[in-house]
Amino acid sequence: GAVVSQHPSWVICKSGTSVKIECRSLDFQATTMFWYRQFPKQSLMLMATSNEGSKATYEQGVEKDKFLINHASLTLSTLTVTSAHPEDSSFYICSARDLGQLLWSNQPQHFGDGTRLSIL
Amino acid sequence: ELKVEQNPLFLSMQEGKNYTIYCNYSTTSDRLYWYRQDPGKSLESLFVLLSNGAVKQEGRLMASLDTKARLSTLHITAAVHDLSATYFCAVDDDGQNFVFGPGTRLSVLP
Repeated sequence: GAVVSQHPSWVICKSGTSVKIECRSLDFQATTMFWYRQFPKQSLMLMATSNEGSKATYEQGVEKDKFLINHASLTLSTLTVTSAHPEDSSFYICSARDLGQLLWSNQPQHFGDGTRLSIL
Repeated sequence: ELKVEQNPLFLSMQEGKNYTIYCNYSTTSDRLYWYRQDPGKSLESLFVLLSNGAVKQEGRLMASLDTKARLSTLHITAAVHDLSATYFCAVDDDGQNFVFGPGTRLSVLP
């Protein structure tokens, strides 16, 4: 089945540091990837939609200058949390649509394993 | 705006018992998904429901979809401890929006 790899799985760093999270589709091409954030005991909230070769679309209330998204190829999207602060600590999950199976696959998205970000 | 609700939000039940989790959504859609999430983990796909009246079963879990009522159910039969997790439903309104419910935290007690 389709596999999405997310790296790193866990990050602990000091306040003010910028952190980059990678999301790769390993065996399919993904023109669209999604970035979610999940705070403890809450649901997943969509942060932004990452489109290959164009600017990401951010959800209301998400600072695009703080959460930089780059989708330079059909298999890789990156999320950079710039100048991270303790309130940015969260579980970040990416997902990807399989371009080749978009028309007949029952699965709209394949999820990565998530990145737990802790800012001290 | 698509809204998805789940009921209950927390559920504690004894092993061997049956229970149903409900998922309501606000717009017309015939694409509904159920996921399981264990603590510290990402999402595991459980069921994909793509039409009115769809029913799918896997082990002790059975999911159904009523698009007219905008309601999906996840029924648990003879619960076991291994089913303890958080269960999310998500609705896809024709690719424009994919919205998760708040989740139901299930705890199955011995």
